[in-house]
Amino acid sequence: SQTIHQWPATLVQPVGSPLSLECTVEGTSNPNLYWYRQAAGRGLQLLFYSVGIGQISSEVPQNLSASRPQDRQFILSSKKLLLSDSGFYLCAWSQAGADNEQFFGPGTRLTVL
Amino acid sequence: GENVEQHPSTLSVQEGDSAVIKCTYSDSASNYFPWYKQELGKGPQLIIDIRSNVGEKKDQRIAVTLNKTAKHFSLHITETQPEDSAVYFCAAQSLRDDKIIFGKGTRLHILP
Repeated sequence: SQTIHQWPATLVQPVGSPLSLECTVEGTSNPNLYWYRQAAGRGLQLLFYSVGIGQISSEVPQNLSASRPQDRQFILSSKKLLLSDSGFYLCAWSQAGADNEQFFGPGTRLTVL
Repeated sequence: GENVEQHPSTLSVQEGDSAVIKCTYSDSASNYFPWYKQELGKGPQLIIDIRSNVGEKKDQRIAVTLNKTAKHFSLHITETQPEDSAVYFCAAQSLRDDKIIFGKGTRLHILP
């Protein structure tokens, strides 16, 4: 069966510090991968998605970036965090192609102080 | 691109009564409409989905309806129970790409 992991689960970082959140998927190959942000009391905002290694689509211009160094690894990064980057970050995967369920990871709660 | 609107943002329902959450979408090419439930501090989980070739789908106490002409789809929960309290998201996916666009969510409270 497939599983999706995210770490860390919780992170508190000062403004201006770098960020690296990691997501890995097990039990499948060539998945589509997604990063979402969920601000307090708000919906799911799609940040990045990837249909293959090295292929990243950015949905929202901001100070975040994403990379996919391996087939089942998706990394969310920032060189300098802003207060507005605080939120709940969710990674998700789906089988390639449309019409497929997205499976979400447990999320990372990021607080920028 | 696709835009999904979801109403209401908050819903309080007496235990045992029914709850209805409504969504609209903008892209006529959308053909897949999942519903997710998110419990506090966790990632969303799929509870039911419907594809554009079907008008209604039911799974025990949960049902979804789809009106492609009006671009509306709804979630119906009957005989609500305390464990139904959560945030619910509707979503739509277009044939054009692999992105699922989510509504802003509905916080459902089941009152004792």
